[in-house]
Amino acid sequence: NAGVMQNPRHLVRRRGQEARLRCSPMKGHSHVYWYRQLPEEGLKFMVYLQKENIIDESGMPKERFSAEFPKEGPSILRIQQVVRGDSAAYFCASSPPSGTTREKLFFGSGTQLSVL
Amino acid sequence: GDSVTQMEGPVTLSEEAFLTINCTYTATGYPSLFWYVQYPGEGLQLLLKATKADDKGSNKGFEATYRKETTSFHLEKGSVQVSDSAVYFCALSDRGGSSGSRLTFGEGTQLTVNP
Repeated sequence: NAGVMQNPRHLVRRRGQEARLRCSPMKGHSHVYWYRQLPEEGLKFMVYLQKENIIDESGMPKERFSAEFPKEGPSILRIQQVVRGDSAAYFCASSPPSGTTREKLFFGSGTQLSVL
Repeated sequence: GDSVTQMEGPVTLSEEAFLTINCTYTATGYPSLFWYVQYPGEGLQLLLKATKADDKGSNKGFEATYRKETTSFHLEKGSVQVSDSAVYFCALSDRGGSSGSRLTFGEGTQLTVNP
């Protein structure tokens, strides 16, 4: 059973370009979470999605950032017109659909975004 | 809102030393508490958890007890190994509301164990 898969592992963008980060949850998981880890800091919640729905986006910056989790395919975190401050490690996590096991998150290895 | 405070790092120990990493929290509900570990270049892995007051989570020689009276969840290990070198994150999950398994993390504590 493959774990949470994120790609690319490393992504380099120039200021003003777009960054697309992908996350495939574990098999059978329908809940996806995105977290951002800035240098020397802990992880900060960004957004929580279920299939085709954004449940909680209270941690998303108001501009340039968006996320989706379509019926088919991976979840996508999209950052438009990147700036140097967007440089960070972006982690995706997934969890099962219901019950107490929903509290257990499985994390991917992250995408390291570097903005030049 | 909810918050987690960890002891500042980095922490450097010799092999077989005793480890304590302090963690305190602030939450309005009755959170579950977690310790995650992040090895270099990898994502976070769940180390242990506790879901109610006085519960003790344990795994791989690590332990932490959910102390409601002191709002703490300190991580301990009696004898650390070089392979324990990693960043350790304390986290909480408020089981109420519609935010699923949303976690609030502490800042992380870098542990280095020297042979």
